[in-house]
Amino acid sequence: DAKTTQPNSMESNEEEPVHLPCNHSTISGTDYIHWYRQLPSQGPEYVIHGLTSNVNNRMASLAIAEDRKSSTLILHRATLRDAAVYYCILRPNSGGGADGLTFGKGTHLIIQP
Amino acid sequence: SAVISQKPSRDICQRGTSLTIQCQVDSQVTMMFWYRQQPGQSLTLIATANQGSEATYESGFVIDKFPISRPNLTFSTLTVSNMSPEDSSIYLCSAKSGYNEQFFGPGTRLTVL
Repeated sequence: DAKTTQPNSMESNEEEPVHLPCNHSTISGTDYIHWYRQLPSQGPEYVIHGLTSNVNNRMASLAIAEDRKSSTLILHRATLRDAAVYYCILRPNSGGGADGLTFGKGTHLIIQP
Repeated sequence: SAVISQKPSRDICQRGTSLTIQCQVDSQVTMMFWYRQQPGQSLTLIATANQGSEATYESGFVIDKFPISRPNLTFSTLTVSNMSPEDSSIYLCSAKSGYNEQFFGPGTRLTVL
């Protein structure tokens, strides 16, 4: 899998938007950008994924740069429950295929009340 | 979605012994995986559990140390054999079907004395 780079940690205030960046300059044309998060003492959970266009779901939005070399996960209104480690992962063909996920170090998001 | 349960949730074991971790999914899935998360680290893929055949191991992991079974589409076991303190980690089971996201169990926290 192509490599991603994320800040080690970020801090935000409750009820404010959070923008989590991810750089993936070696992304290939068929790689999808996936985001997972791991809440304390839990297994990771899927957040969102996309290829070229920006994506929205009930949890977050994903903004993808025009050259696809970077992306940003947006939490529109952070709550204390959003404090977690967020992982940006590139997957071929929308995650189809037999391979497991390759996790980087992720970004530790701290939410201040 | 799929709900994944693991047994045991945690255990403390003596050096040289073995522990078998069970993973149960509440629906039939095509792929099951096992991951390890060492203290303060990210997740590392151990192997893909293949139904009815030998597991596919990632570099650095071998069948003698981490034997895996997958007798059907909803169940898998991971055994950590001849344990040493370096095996102290959280072991997580994961599952996916088709092109959708991966789902993770809550993990098994293993401490080896």
